[in-house]
Amino acid sequence: QIQLQLSGPRLVKPSQTLSLTCVISGDSVSSYSAAWNWIRQSPSRGLEWLGRTYYRSKWHFDYAESVKSRITINPDTSENHVSLHLNSVTPEDTAVYYCARDFEVSGYFDYWGQGTLVTVSS
Amino acid sequence: DVQLTQSPSTLSASIGDRVTMTCRASHNILTWVAWYQQKPGKAPKLLIYKASTLQVGVPSRFTGSGSETEFTLTISSLQPDDFATYYCQQYSGYWTFGQGTKVEI
Repeated sequence: QIQLQLSGPRLVKPSQTLSLTCVISGDSVSSYSAAWNWIRQSPSRGLEWLGRTYYRSKWHFDYAESVKSRITINPDTSENHVSLHLNSVTPEDTAVYYCARDFEVSGYFDYWGQGTLVTVSS
Repeated sequence: DVQLTQSPSTLSASIGDRVTMTCRASHNILTWVAWYQQKPGKAPKLLIYKASTLQVGVPSRFTGSGSETEFTLTISSLQPDDFATYYCQQYSGYWTFGQGTKVEI
């Protein structure tokens, strides 16, 4: 059974860095048949794909244009997790953040973490 | 980016009704569409991928169809568990989602 467990601060100050971790169980972050994605959801922006990483002989990264200058996704094989770092946040980055698996880099998301609301406020 | 427009935004229905909702794409995306169901406070759940392929474990009352720029999700006989918001997602290019159709009583 694949489970994705999110953790990280729920409140971040403007201009600081939002950091979340998605711990993977039942699969491997370096699996050749998966990609690991970050997606967020807010009333103003709806569901928004942010970025992904996957391993195919080396690590690959793709990021949405809207956050490309501010986002980093880091896989950690020793802890079997993937982390999201989004810097220079503003209140517009307030959202529920999800991690999700994309099986075989197919483009759709078959397993999702539970979601965590991150609020950007001073 | 490919824009997805879902209609209607809200759909009122009763148990047993046949329900159909639409997702229109701004560009030809062949059949690279998935549908998700989301309930309040929960993550989206994958129902259908590649426009019409039912995800394992999803009831057969859910049907997806369409290609190129127009796609539909049909629930053949609405059940109490189906009251939720439904989203389409395209994966022809970078991934985008529609704004959702809420199915309510």
